[in-house]
Amino acid sequence: AQTVTQSQPEMSVQEAETVTLSCTYDTSESNYYLFWYKQPPSRQMILVIRQEAYKQQNATENRFSVNFQKAAKSFSLKISDSQLGDTAMYFCAFMRGAGNQFYFGTGTSLTVIP
Amino acid sequence: DAGVIQSPRHEVTEMGQEVTLRCKPISGHNSLFWYRQTMMRGLELLIYFNNNVPIDDSGMPEDRFSAKMPNASFSTLKIQPSEPRDSAVYFCASSFRFGGRQETQYFGPGTRLLVL
Repeated sequence: AQTVTQSQPEMSVQEAETVTLSCTYDTSESNYYLFWYKQPPSRQMILVIRQEAYKQQNATENRFSVNFQKAAKSFSLKISDSQLGDTAMYFCAFMRGAGNQFYFGTGTSLTVIP
Repeated sequence: DAGVIQSPRHEVTEMGQEVTLRCKPISGHNSLFWYRQTMMRGLELLIYFNNNVPIDDSGMPEDRFSAKMPNASFSTLKIQPSEPRDSAVYFCASSFRFGGRQETQYFGPGTRLLVL
């Protein structure tokens, strides 16, 4: 079975600063995908970034980047130049390469402080 | 392009009533997922379909829950009879699957259900 662990239930960061959200996962698969989703107060689930396990290069989307450590089974999200609109719950998710099902972590609530 | 569309956005009903949630996936997507989100249990996958066929419904809590996908552009999740513990946000998501590869899931805005 696959498990996804987010060990930081809540975090805060000052506006314009950088914050890193942690995620670890457990799998015996070699081919899989990892995702970060953002859920603002509106409750909409928004894809932030995606990483294929076979790619060594860390994915980047504007101010969002990941630190993917495959051997350590770690997938952290770094948000640079934090903005008030980044305040949201962030979910890490795992998907097997040949599968359909997502496995979600319990989420990290991030608050950006003005 | 329109994203995943869900209706209603909010539903308040009384215990024992039937509730039907609706979802229109992104055009061209062939996989559809129903999730439930609660504070206690987080995000749970209830059921998913590939090419309109239910593949795994092991997450459906009990027989009161049923889901259908009569065609590629529409799915329903029905709760009958509803109970207060069914109160949650229900998300529909869709993606495209080809060969053995599953693409990213895109979520709808969710339906917030309150059963009194």
